Amino acid sequence: QKEVEQNSGPLSVPEGAIASLNCTYSDRGSQSFFWYRQYSGKSPELIMFIYSNGDKEDGRFTAQLNKASQYVSLLIRDSQPSDSATYLCAVRTYNAGNMLTFGGGTRLMVKP
Amino acid sequence: NAGVTQTPKFQVLKTGQSMTLQCAQDMNHNSMYWYRQDPGMGLRLIYYSASEGTTDKGEVPNGYNVSRLNKREFSLRLESAAPSQTSVYFCASSEMDPSYEQYFGPGTRLTVT
Repeated sequence: QKEVEQNSGPLSVPEGAIASLNCTYSDRGSQSFFWYRQYSGKSPELIMFIYSNGDKEDGRFTAQLNKASQYVSLLIRDSQPSDSATYLCAVRTYNAGNMLTFGGGTRLMVKP
Repeated sequence: NAGVTQTPKFQVLKTGQSMTLQCAQDMNHNSMYWYRQDPGMGLRLIYYSASEGTTDKGEVPNGYNVSRLNKREFSLRLESAAPSQTSVYFCASSEMDPSYEQYFGPGTRLTVT
């Protein structure tokens, strides 16, 4: 079982819809969770991080964390074609010496 | 303020050749990292340096060596390249430990034939 799992997609949503991206992790002791966005051929850039159970909102983005169920999700409201990218979930895992473990990423396509 | 820079951007090697990937950051960050990214595999940590003068192995260190030359620079060396090392390599830095935002360089696309 991979430490951090994501559906590879592609996830296709129409412009203006809500895109929901999910990530599960196996290390129950994980404390910090990050969402990175990566455009094709570019480097990852941080969108959001979350440490506590519940929701964290930043503009059109909402990160949701449920430690009991070991999943973290990213909601993108009013999706735009410019949101089309691969979204990487990263988890700071004690099993990996407190380093970040990345999921394989979910490719999001927002259609005009 | 260039952030994290990497050289070269592209490289083709023959099996058995060696090369060094260079990385530099101008954000005065303490921690630096080397990742490789393969299709569908996400980013996997090769080596990291928590501070100047220290380096540690990550998830996939075999076939690589690193040097933290000073606070700014962190290089990755392939002593004898193999086709399995064909990948995109990213260098990253963060202010302190990985709980802080990691800033990534533009990447090096390496092909080993």
